[in-house]
Amino acid sequence: LAKTTQPISMDSYEGQEVNITCSHNNIATNDYITWYQQFPSQGPRFIIQGYKTKVTNEVASLFIPADRKSSTLSLPRVSLSDTAVYYCLVGTREYGNKLVFGAGTILRVKS
Amino acid sequence: SAVISQKPSRDICQRGTSLTIQCQVDSQVTMMFWYRQQPGQSLTLIATANQGSEATYESGFVIDKFPISRPNLTFSTLTVSNMSPEDSSIYLCSVGADYNSPLHFGNGTRLTVT
Repeated sequence: LAKTTQPISMDSYEGQEVNITCSHNNIATNDYITWYQQFPSQGPRFIIQGYKTKVTNEVASLFIPADRKSSTLSLPRVSLSDTAVYYCLVGTREYGNKLVFGAGTILRVKS
Repeated sequence: SAVISQKPSRDICQRGTSLTIQCQVDSQVTMMFWYRQQPGQSLTLIATANQGSEATYESGFVIDKFPISRPNLTFSTLTVSNMSPEDSSIYLCSVGADYNSPLHFGNGTRLTVT
């Protein structure tokens, strides 16, 4: 399973756009990229998933360049409630969607 | 998305005893996994719970220590056996409706072993 590398932490202010980049240099052809958000005392919550180019939903956007060796999670206009740990995961459905978590990025949103 | 209920939500246990954690899903799901999250750390996959057959364990986890059952497509249990303080952690159940669906997580069971 591909290993991922993310910044350990990021700080932002309310109303700003936040971009968290994840490196996955050895991503395989069948791998998908998935991002999760985790608040204290809760299980991770699915944010977005993509394979290539750009994916957008009501919460975030995911940008994946052509070589797929990295991806960027974009959170528009963050609020204090977006303070959480964000995990980037790479996994293939050949493994039944088994996901291996990296260290994650602690995002702190300040007022 | 599926609603996942884990029981108990937390427990304090004495060393040497065992605890069984239940994961109930409100719909049939194909994939079920068990994860562990130690304080301040990321999640570590323990095993894949296979319906009607033995679970598939990740490196470092063994069936004698973490027996898993999955009798049907909506329910699974994880037992933490012969507990020691090192087993103090949050244990999370994760499910996927099918191979094309993202995984969803329960809120976990916070276990403290004294």
